[in-house]
Amino acid sequence: SQQGEEDPQALSIQEGENATMNCSYKTSINNLQWYRQNSGRGLVHLILIRSNEREKHSGRLRVTLDTSKKSSSLLITASRAADTASYFCATASGYSTLTFGKGTMLLVSP
Amino acid sequence: GAGVSQSPSNKVTEKGKDVELRCDPISGHTALYWYRQSLGQGLEFLIYFQGNSAPDKSGLPSDRFSAERTGGSVSTLTIQRTQQEDSAVYLCASSLALKTDEQFFGPGTRLTVL
Repeated sequence: SQQGEEDPQALSIQEGENATMNCSYKTSINNLQWYRQNSGRGLVHLILIRSNEREKHSGRLRVTLDTSKKSSSLLITASRAADTASYFCATASGYSTLTFGKGTMLLVSP
Repeated sequence: GAGVSQSPSNKVTEKGKDVELRCDPISGHTALYWYRQSLGQGLEFLIYFQGNSAPDKSGLPSDRFSAERTGGSVSTLTIQRTQQEDSAVYLCASSLALKTDEQFFGPGTRLTVL
């Protein structure tokens, strides 16, 4: 069953702008992770935020987690053309494996 | 190698044939996962290994799909009597131990069933 669902499905911005993607989920989680995928191939882990954390930073990435609303957001600041990719959230619940959403396609134009 | 490797990178087969996909995880990673991704879709969980055992096979879409892992390392995913709906990218990932840890993905195998 679908756990994480990203919003929007697609996002198009100019270089230098910020990009915000959201993820909503249904059940309680242990942690939430964001991944990036280029060209429909392997995913690359970006950041993991645990259920007792509210905000986390990594370089130009900022992730927030609101467990009361069962939602997370990924902010990419000062975007670059190289940030063009699909971004997936994945939730870890109990003893189950990660459940991935359908992703947000981000296009950053020079 | 430093990362997860998968072979072949591309596989074209005829309907009804069997195919075998291989995954070589990062050395020392005890957990290994198989996913399937259809065009433009998210990841569909197939099966998970902890060591050589597969405690969760619930994601395998039919009995034509099977997977094994020997020696706690390399894993093979076998699809028997392939169907056109099996066409997808098959992704393998590994993690140190816990199922909820960061997963490291291979580049995937793109399977096309004609």
